[in-house]
Amino acid sequence: QSALTQPASVSGSPGQSITLSCTGTSSDVGSYNLVSWYQQHPGKAPKFMIYEGSKRPSGVSNRFSGSKSGNTASLTISGLQAEDEADYYCCSFVGSNTWVFGGGTKLTVL
Amino acid sequence: QLQLQESGPGLVKPSETLSLTCTVSGGSISSTNYYWGWIRQPPGKGLEWTGIIYYSGSSYHNPSLKSRVTISVDTSKNQFSLRLSSVTAADTAVYYCARLVRSGSYYDYWGQGTLVTVSS
Repeated sequence: QSALTQPASVSGSPGQSITLSCTGTSSDVGSYNLVSWYQQHPGKAPKFMIYEGSKRPSGVSNRFSGSKSGNTASLTISGLQAEDEADYYCCSFVGSNTWVFGGGTKLTVL
Repeated sequence: QLQLQESGPGLVKPSETLSLTCTVSGGSISSTNYYWGWIRQPPGKGLEWTGIIYYSGSSYHNPSLKSRVTISVDTSKNQFSLRLSSVTAADTAVYYCARLVRSGSYYDYWGQGTLVTVSS
């Protein structure tokens, strides 16, 4: 069970759109539409932002959207704001009642 | 509003057993719609899926932890627990408990996390 691959860091300017990637394999991300995304500010618990790849829970800004292509899931943040600066983690079901997280991406708003 | 709260010792000696409890309030741990899980985060590092348990007692854990991890549930107290044996410094982490929605496979409620340090 290897961690999903996420870029260590991504940066963008306010107002821009950025996309965070989460790459797995045909055994996890590629096999299930069960990727979720979490935002974590320093010293805080993670907050879930996207589930089932592209669904957004109530209360989460529509600036956040998710998608998947093959073995890679993506989180797009449009209209980047200072408050979006945080760590972002993807998580996927991998079968046999087990899950795996990605290594996380640190998003910096310039 | 559902709340989860971790509790347990913040310091554990190497080779001993780490024990944590998560108390759930504002909802029943016996719901068929959810698993209850543990996720840990070493200082400065990413999240690591540790394991989950269903109210019936069925549990699943990260294979990398081999047989060191035990997750149990006490429905009468609305609590679930984590035990990790033979700990080393590598087990030093913030441990979070969280609720996993079975249908969508996502964690919707998290505890605040508790730091456990393994040191003599």
